[in-house]
Amino acid sequence: DAGVTQSPTHLIKTRGQQVTLRCSPKSGHDTVSWYQQALGQGPQFIFQYYEEEERQRGNFPDRFSGHQFPNYSSELNVNALLLGDSALYLCASSLTSDYGYTFGSGTRLTVV
Amino acid sequence: QKEVEQDPGPLSVPEGAIVSLNCTYSNSAFQYFMWYRQYSRKGPELLMYTYSSGNKEDGRFTAQVDKSSKYISLFIRDSQPSDSATYLCAMSPYGGSQGNLIFGKGTKLSVKP
Repeated sequence: DAGVTQSPTHLIKTRGQQVTLRCSPKSGHDTVSWYQQALGQGPQFIFQYYEEEERQRGNFPDRFSGHQFPNYSSELNVNALLLGDSALYLCASSLTSDYGYTFGSGTRLTVV
Repeated sequence: QKEVEQDPGPLSVPEGAIVSLNCTYSNSAFQYFMWYRQYSRKGPELLMYTYSSGNKEDGRFTAQVDKSSKYISLFIRDSQPSDSATYLCAMSPYGGSQGNLIFGKGTKLSVKP
């Protein structure tokens, strides 16, 4: 079982650019959540996708958007990057009828 | 006041020690409580999941929830160097995958051989 797969593992972008991060959920999981983890902080919820719809959203600006595909994989898009967007972006998958999330190893985004 | 408070440490203990990790919270709606372990350069891994108040034991790990005090704990018995990691508490008003998790900052634990 490959678990949750995220790509790329590391990324360096310039302020103002746009970035797309990708996530393949654990086999059998239908729900994907995205979290942002700044250095020395706990993960913060960005949004959750289920049945290709955004089901819940955290306190993040509209610059953060996402998508879920029919195969349950997901993308996180961030526009107009700011230095403060530098963080580890974690994807977590789950089965909506069950508890517990499986996290990927994350994408380390650095904005310069 | 943050919804979830967790002492970031770092906490250093000798091998074999009993480790106590704690979180306090302010939102009385929280019903589901979790502990995650995060190794360096990895994503969080679920260790323990409890509902409402009470204790839950799994091997060397024991999770306690005291909703009256809004206080949760994780105890690690016979700690090993492989337990060295950051421990994150997380909680939610909702069970299953219906809601987002609110995390503490994490406590960095180092177990010395």
